[in-house]
Amino acid sequence: DIQMTQSPSTLSASVGDRVTITCRASQTISSWLAWFQQKPGKAPNLLIYKASSLESGVPSRFSGSGSGTEFALTISSLQPDDFATYYCQQYNTYPWTFGQGTKVEIK
Amino acid sequence: QVQLVQSGAEVKKPGSAVKVSCKASANTFSIYVFNWVRQAPGQGLQWMGGIIPIFDKKNYAPKFQDRVTITADTSTYTASMELRSLTSEDTAVYFCARAGFDYDSGAFSYYGMDVWGQGTTVTVSS
Repeated sequence: DIQMTQSPSTLSASVGDRVTITCRASQTISSWLAWFQQKPGKAPNLLIYKASSLESGVPSRFSGSGSGTEFALTISSLQPDDFATYYCQQYNTYPWTFGQGTKVEIK
Repeated sequence: QVQLVQSGAEVKKPGSAVKVSCKASANTFSIYVFNWVRQAPGQGLQWMGGIIPIFDKKNYAPKFQDRVTITADTSTYTASMELRSLTSEDTAVYFCARAGFDYDSGAFSYYGMDVWGQGTTVTVSS
């Protein structure tokens, strides 16, 4: 299986901060990477697909970058609604696999 | 609005099986992959497997391969996931999620999981 490793596991930030979460794949996955946001008790919400394509309806402060094995999710100016847990997920090779998650907390 | 509507919460005994269903809109059922993802309490997301109904193509995660079956009923636009030989470690919320795909020259390529069901809580307890 392809292992997905996110860092950091927890991130403390303030409203208005620029934050970046990184995701590393154990082998190349081209650009077949998605990012999800999940809030407690809710289903995940797709933010980014194919590493850098913004899902329809997702605010433009979210952006994705990278290819191969190194990827990043950036929130340009953190908003109150953005405090949540974020997951990367590869869909290059079965079985599809997720990172362990990054919790973005209020500083 | 596109929705995936899952069946209700289940409480099961260890060693038994559970079947969770996921009903989709008619006009979207055949052109998507339907995946199952679970989340144990306080834990991350775990992909279990998926099915492409029009091809009856299934893929399973090795961890679940021996005790999970994913099916799709194209007449009722419903995907289902059955998990057998339950233990307490299977206590989790189970989500279905659709993903688009392209098929060209015998190869599949996929899109992100863009629509998710509301989740079904499965509790395994004696």
